[in-house]
Amino acid sequence: QITLRESGPTLVKPTQTLTLTCSLSGFSLSTSAVGVGWIRQPPGKALEWLALIYGDDDKRYRPSLRSRITITKDTSKNRVVLTMTIMDPVDTATYYCAHTAYDSGGPGAFDIWGQGTTVTVSS
Amino acid sequence: EIVMTQSPATLSLSPGERATLSCRASRSVSSSFLSWYQQKPGQAPRLLIYGASTRATGVPARFSGSGSGTDFTLTISSLQPEDFAVYYCLLDYNSWTFGQGTKVDIK
Repeated sequence: QITLRESGPTLVKPTQTLTLTCSLSGFSLSTSAVGVGWIRQPPGKALEWLALIYGDDDKRYRPSLRSRITITKDTSKNRVVLTMTIMDPVDTATYYCAHTAYDSGGPGAFDIWGQGTTVTVSS
Repeated sequence: EIVMTQSPATLSLSPGERATLSCRASRSVSSSFLSWYQQKPGQAPRLLIYGASTRATGVPARFSGSGSGTDFTLTISSLQPEDFAVYYCLLDYNSWTFGQGTKVDIK
C-alpha cells in the first residue's frame, strides 16, 4: 500500500526558508517511471503545482517559482524534500505531496496524495 | 505556458441530476496527460480520471471523462450526495497546471 506523509513547520516568518519532507511508504523512488510531486493550496483557493522529481532524479519546477524552490530525494531514507526560500505571507497554504507512476494512475496523474500539511507565513 | 480554464465556476444541481464540467486548454494538448480530481472540504484531492477518459481504481461508473485537443469534459451521470465537492482538471506537459476548479453544490 502506497502512502505519503508530509511534515515540516506549521509557522515560518517572512523571508525565512521553508523545508518540507514527504515520507514515502510502499514504493521506491528509483526509476524514471515513478515520481513525487508537491502541490499547494492557499486557503479557499485552487490547487497549484510546485515541483516534481522522478526516480532517475529528473526534476521539474513551476516556472514562476523556479528561483525559490528546490526538490531533492533521499532514496535510502525514502523521502522527498521541498525547500522554498524567501517565504512570504502569500505562500500560506496547505502543502501536499503526491505520487505519480506510468503504471498506476497513468502518466502525469497524481494517484496517491498525502494528507497535507498547513504552513502559515507570519511574523 | 498552457492555461487550463474550467467552467462553470459553480454548478448548482440536485441529487440525481447529471453534471457536466468543462476544462479547456489554451492550446491543443495530448489527452494522455489530462486528469480529473475531486476534493472535499478538509481533504486531499482524489484522482478520478486519467488519460482524459480512464477511471481510476475504485471510482464509480457514474463518473466519465471525454474530450481531446483543447476541450475536455467530466460527466457525473446521476449526482449522489457524496459527489458534491470541488473538481479540478490537471494537465501534464512536462510542467503541471491545474484548472481553477468547479464547485458542484446542492441546489
